[in-house]
Amino acid sequence: QTVVTQEPSFSVSPGGTVTLTCGLSTGSVSTSYYPSWYQQIPGQAPRTLIYNTNTRSSGVPDRFSGSILGNKAALTITGAQADDESDYYCVLYMGSDSYVFGTGTKVTVL
Amino acid sequence: QMQLQESGPGLVKPSGTLSLTCVVSGGSISSKNWWSWVRQSPEKGLEWIAQISHSGSTNYNPSLKSRVTISLDKSKNQFSLKLSSVTAADTAIYYCARSYDYHLSYWGQGTLVTVSS
Repeated sequence: QTVVTQEPSFSVSPGGTVTLTCGLSTGSVSTSYYPSWYQQIPGQAPRTLIYNTNTRSSGVPDRFSGSILGNKAALTITGAQADDESDYYCVLYMGSDSYVFGTGTKVTVL
Repeated sequence: QMQLQESGPGLVKPSGTLSLTCVVSGGSISSKNWWSWVRQSPEKGLEWIAQISHSGSTNYNPSLKSRVTISLDKSKNQFSLKLSSVTAADTAIYYCARSYDYHLSYWGQGTLVTVSS
């Protein structure tokens, strides 16, 4: 079974930079998996941040950026703000017309 | 702005069938998109369930495929999910979403479904 792994938690200072990663149990993540990233505030639906590795969704601040780092997809928050404190999930498109969610990362800003 | 809204029973008995509907507004379900169902539970996290295209083609999560049916009703601009033989493990918040360009671009607010007798 395919497992998409993320760091369980990260802490970042206001104004700081944090990079979250998204790895694949079966190998390397590449652009062929069209990695996307979602922000979820507890009690709310996920919000799309990044798709196709590095394309920001409409209205998403440019402090959020996506990339491939080594063999993983990555989401970088540059200049973190208090309202960035959320859960973040990556999703990989598996090519067999299915999606797999990552395990999620809880980001604390303090 | 496209909006999606889930509806359906909040309580389903074990071994029964969970049925949910997602109404799409601000856009046509017949446009060249795919439409997905996703669920979230504390135990399993977020899990993609299935998707259906504007033309009725379907894809399913292999782990749920035997129990899931997704369908489209163009006349009502909505799509639906049926999950059979439910157990407590199917208790979750169920979201509908638009699948577009290999990602999930618009989400409903979610609806909690509890499986219990």
